[in-house]
Amino acid sequence: QKEVEQDPGPLSVPEGAIVSLNCTYSNSAFQYFMWYRQYSRKGPELLMYTYSSGNKEDGRFTAQVDKSSKYISLFIRDSQPSDSATYLCAMNSGYALNFGKGTSLLVTP
Amino acid sequence: DGGITQSPKYLFRKEGQNVTLSCEQNLNHDAMYWYRQDPGQGLRLIYYSQIVNDFQKGDIAEGYSVSREKKESFPLTVTSAQKNPTAFYLCASRDTGGRRANEKLFFGSGTQLSVL
Repeated sequence: QKEVEQDPGPLSVPEGAIVSLNCTYSNSAFQYFMWYRQYSRKGPELLMYTYSSGNKEDGRFTAQVDKSSKYISLFIRDSQPSDSATYLCAMNSGYALNFGKGTSLLVTP
Repeated sequence: DGGITQSPKYLFRKEGQNVTLSCEQNLNHDAMYWYRQDPGQGLRLIYYSQIVNDFQKGDIAEGYSVSREKKESFPLTVTSAQKNPTAFYLCASRDTGGRRANEKLFFGSGTQLSVL
């Protein structure tokens, strides 16, 4: 079993929809949880960073961590075509990050 | 303007040839990383370095080599021993000052390597 599982999609939604992206993990030692956004053939950029269980909001984005269930989510409200990208979850593993495979999101006008 | 610079953006390798990918950062970060990204595979760690003149193998180090002679630079050489080198290569760095915020990785824009 991989330490971080993420549905690769693709996920297609109409503009304005609420998007829910999810990852599960198996290592209870993970403490830091991140979401990266990656546009095609570009480097990933850090979108959200959380440390504890609960919610963290930044504009249209909300990151949610449930350590008891080993489950993290990223919600995007009022999705825009510019949100079309691959979203990678990541969590710490000592010296480096463990990444999910990424979920491809397409927001259609 | 601080950041991580990878070059070249595109690179082509002939059979039996070694090629080197450049990664330079001016963020004053101690730790640097190389990841490989294949379609549908996510990011896989090749090598990482926590400090100058020291580096460690990641999950898929075979066929690759690195050096860390300067804090700012962490070049990756794809050797002829790497039989399937076609991939998108990403360099990243991290501040290891010990604060929570320093778990964040910052990435370069990537190098696409293809075999001729």
